[in-house]
Amino acid sequence: EDKVVQSPLSLVVHEGDTVTLNCSYEVTNFRSLLWYKQEKKAPTFLFMLTSSGIEKKSGRLSSILDKKELFSILNITATQTGDSAVYLCAVLRAAGNKLTFGGGTRVLVKP
Amino acid sequence: GAVVSQHPSRVICKSGTSVKIECRSLDFQATTMFWYRQFPKQSLMLMATSNEGSKATYEQGVEKDKFLINHASLTLSTLTVTSAHPEDSSFYICSASMGLNQPQHFGDGTRLSIL
Repeated sequence: EDKVVQSPLSLVVHEGDTVTLNCSYEVTNFRSLLWYKQEKKAPTFLFMLTSSGIEKKSGRLSSILDKKELFSILNITATQTGDSAVYLCAVLRAAGNKLTFGGGTRVLVKP
Repeated sequence: GAVVSQHPSRVICKSGTSVKIECRSLDFQATTMFWYRQFPKQSLMLMATSNEGSKATYEQGVEKDKFLINHASLTLSTLTVTSAHPEDSSFYICSASMGLNQPQHFGDGTRLSIL
């Protein structure tokens, strides 16, 4: 059975802190790993990672994939209160284009 | 690009009512769309894959007669919750991607409350 596990479940930080979110997976026919941010509504797309070792960056967010160790990390530097959200990791399988989601990490950034 | 619109955003209705939710890809064509369900403080659970012009593929444990999916065009999929009961109350979200190995983009979700 495919598994996507995120850690920690939740964390509370103060503005300006850096956070690192983890995602490990056991998935057959792996194609890509995706990160999403979910606030009150549906998830918004952040990154899609297909190759190991290539860091993707968007502003204060960055992410990298390790296909040998089967995990990915999402970093947020200089956090702001607007970064408060649930961050979801999902794995895209080669067959059927389906996503399997992890349980999410709830991040709360305090002023 | 890659905007997905979902309607309605909120539904409150009586037990026994059937509810239709629409999912549209606004600026691209989607041969495949996906329907998810999310319970409070939980992650997204895939319910079914909606295929344009053919039958939907349902995940294990999802009743196809309860959750009717129609994908009549390349930009529209609908999910109908038939004879809804309180246990069907949930947050339903659709997604679509522009093709294989492309990220899924999500609609804003529909919060369904059955009284």
